[in-house]
Amino acid sequence: EDQVTQSPEALRLQEGESSSLNCSYTVSGLRGLFWYRQDPGKGPEFLFTLYSAGEEKEKERLKATLTKKESFLHITAPKPEDSATYLCAVQEDTGFQKLVFGTGTRLLVSP
Amino acid sequence: EPEVTQTPSHQVTQMGQEVILRCVPISNHLYFYWYRQILGQKVEFLVSFYNNEISEKSEIFDDQFSVERPDGSNFTLKIRSTKLEDSAMYFCASSESGTAYGYTFGSGTRLTVV
Repeated sequence: EDQVTQSPEALRLQEGESSSLNCSYTVSGLRGLFWYRQDPGKGPEFLFTLYSAGEEKEKERLKATLTKKESFLHITAPKPEDSATYLCAVQEDTGFQKLVFGTGTRLLVSP
Repeated sequence: EPEVTQTPSHQVTQMGQEVILRCVPISNHLYFYWYRQILGQKVEFLVSFYNNEISEKSEIFDDQFSVERPDGSNFTLKIRSTKLEDSAMYFCASSESGTAYGYTFGSGTRLTVV
């Protein structure tokens, strides 16, 4: 069973058209939920860490929120340079450090 | 801004050959990791390394794989006898602590096994 599921797989937006990406997770205890941005052929670039339900974090046009079962990445008035794959990952509260990733959402923002 | 450096960026090797992928983590980081991403698939955890020993490894990280911190700055991943299915992007990452604060990933090494 997948621990991290992201939807949609792909999303095409017009510049300025706001939307949200979803990350559902199932872990026995959550140490942290991470959002990363990945450009083609590059490594994941850290965006946010969320630790507990109700927490929100913002950076420019991005806002991440967390509930007990899912996280949303809200993109407000996106620009073409926001086009990338957005990855969600969880770290369990088991004493180990590994991140478990979802398959990502490929976002394309057209001018 | 500090970064994790990986070399080479692309390596082509013949099946059965040994490869060593190299990484220079951020200097004050204590935890080091290798992940891989097969084309079109998820980023998958391979191994974590702390205090000169493996702290966790996945089922993927079998006897064909090994890691080493040969000096104070480098962190390497060795694949002893490469298989076609080892073809992937390999990412090194490091973190200051093992807690939930985000890692920093390198740009990756694309390994192609022919």
